This record gives sequence, C-alpha cells and structure tokens, in this order.
Amino acid sequence: GNSVTQMEGPVTLSEEAFLTINCTYTATGYPSLFWYVQYPGEGLQLLLKATKADDKGSNKGFEATYRKETTSFHLEKGSVQVSDSAVYFCALSDPGNNFNKFYFGSGTKLNVKP
Amino acid sequence: DTGVSQNPRHKITKRGQNVTFRCDPISEHNRLYWYRQTLGQGPEFLTYFQNEAQLEKSRLLSDRFSAERPKGSFSTLEIQRTEQGDSAMYLCASSLALAGGQSDTQYFGPGTRLTVL
Repeated sequence: GNSVTQMEGPVTLSEEAFLTINCTYTATGYPSLFWYVQYPGEGLQLLLKATKADDKGSNKGFEATYRKETTSFHLEKGSVQVSDSAVYFCALSDPGNNFNKFYFGSGTKLNVKP
Repeated sequence: DTGVSQNPRHKITKRGQNVTFRCDPISEHNRLYWYRQTLGQGPEFLTYFQNEAQLEKSRLLSDRFSAERPKGSFSTLEIQRTEQGDSAMYLCASSLALAGGQSDTQYFGPGTRLTVL
C-alpha cells in the first residue's frame, strides 16, 4: 500500500538554524512527492514538489530531493526564520489511479524562536 | 485566480443536526477532492469528483455523508445526524486533469472546521 512517515515534532529551532524534516514513503509505483505547509487556522499551501527520482523541488529557500533508493523526500532549509513556524506535511500522490489520490504524513510542527 | 474557497470557515452544531459545507474550486479545475483532517493528523481522503461525476469514495465516508457537484463547478458536503466524532477540519482541493489522465497539483482551500457538541 501507500503511506508516508514523517519525523515527529515539534521541532524547535533558533532563527537562522539549519532545518531538516525527514520524510520516507512506501508506494506501489512511482509517485509524485510533495511538501505542503499549514499556518495556524489556514488550509494547506503547496511548498514544493518533485515528480520523478532525483528531481529536486525548491521554493522560498526550502528544498527536497526525491530519493528512490532510500524512498525519502527530506525537507531542508539552510536558515530558518520566525515566519517559517508552521506545520509541514509530506505527501505522495498515488500513481495507481488517474486522479492522483493523496496520502499525507501526520505533519511536523516547526517552531522558530527569535 | 482567487484560489479554492470554502464556506463556512467554522461551524458549531449539536449532535444529531445536519450540516452542509460548500467548496468553490479554482474555476478551470475539473477535479475536486474532499479530505478530513483531525487534530494532529494529516488530511485523509474522503471523495473525488471529475466534473460532476463522483468517481471514488473512501470507506471513511459513512452513509451519513453525501457529497455533490451538480454542475461540475462548486461542491457540497453534507453530514446528516452529526456525531461528536465528526468534529474535524474538512478540506477541499481542486486540480486540473492533464493529458493522459493524470492530475496536476492539488490546491487546497482554507477548510471548514466543524465542532459537534
């Protein structure tokens, strides 16, 4: 089956620290992989995506590389800001059907302190 | 492009009452999805529409839940005889079908938070 596992939070960092949020997946085929971010009281916003192995998605200083050999899609940012405080969700879209059903991890809360 | 919108943003109801939520997708998107998100968890798939046709329903969608997309534009999700366990955030997303049938990225609305007392 399809599933996504994320590191548990919360993750608490000081401003300008390096961020890594681990994500691994299980899929029956070759999924697309996504990171979404959710700010308090809001819906999910697409942060970045990668559609095939070795692709690197990047946006707003965040990046993640699709690693087929380790079935991973870890999120990284070199220098976090207070405004990055949010919940981050890793997701995959099921390649086994045309409508791309999404499977989400349980989310990792990031707290960035000034 | 105004994005995906959902109404209401918050709904408080008593157990046993019926509630209805509305989702307006991005205008050119022909695919629409409903998800449920409980506290501390990621969204879980509920159902999917291609235009006006409901093509997939999760086992999470009990008989008390019904979703429609009558003209292939906005969608409604109704919960009958609400239970406390229905308390959650209900998220709507939309996407565009690509050549070959695959979907482009799903874009999410702000959600409707339901509290059943």
